[in-house]
Amino acid sequence: GAGVSQTPSNKVTEKGKYVELRCDPISGHTALYWYRQSLGQGPEFLIYFQGTGAADDSGLPNDRFFAVRPEGSVSTLKIQRTERGDSAVYLCASSAGQGALNYGYTFGSGTRLTVV
Amino acid sequence: QQQVKQSPQSLIVQKGGIPIINCAYENTAFDYFPWYQQFPGKGPALLIAIRPDVSEKKEGRFTISFNKSAKQFSLHIMDSQPGDSATYFCAARSPGNTPLVFGKGTRLSVIA
Repeated sequence: GAGVSQTPSNKVTEKGKYVELRCDPISGHTALYWYRQSLGQGPEFLIYFQGTGAADDSGLPNDRFFAVRPEGSVSTLKIQRTERGDSAVYLCASSAGQGALNYGYTFGSGTRLTVV
Repeated sequence: QQQVKQSPQSLIVQKGGIPIINCAYENTAFDYFPWYQQFPGKGPALLIAIRPDVSEKKEGRFTISFNKSAKQFSLHIMDSQPGDSATYFCAARSPGNTPLVFGKGTRLSVIA
């Protein structure tokens, strides 16, 4: 597709439930990033993939958060035992990756997660 | 500890004015400094970016000024329009495709 697609756009879940958030990056972009944005704040880094592997997962807040990118394209962010503090907009971005002249990220519109 | 400090938090200017948003950083390894624009309900969109080997970059009505010795950079919007009303984020990254670190954002309102 022309842009980064994230689904669902909104997700309401009960505390303690498991959720999956999907990101479909720009075709051919090797680098994929997950960020979390709380209200009134800047995006906060979670995890970065180069191809299929997680190159940097230092931003994941705890072991309830996990992400995969099995074929080097679509990525899924998984949150177990959700807590109210997980409520935020989860943003995905892709870029042409290391060595590209253009470092620019293209972000999706995000998934707004609300844990009630 | 926040790696990129952005100010002000919010800004209101008259149409035609020149809002200026500032960012400061500590990590001298940073080599790429973009600005992103975000509208409600949308993801941030790259506006303009600069590398530390130049002191200024202009694209249309948007200009980045970069002061390497002071470790500061700023965004200027010339002839601002109501359609420029959005939240603006500065960001920075180190070499090697490390992830961007973002400032907390500045909410800009341009009033007619």
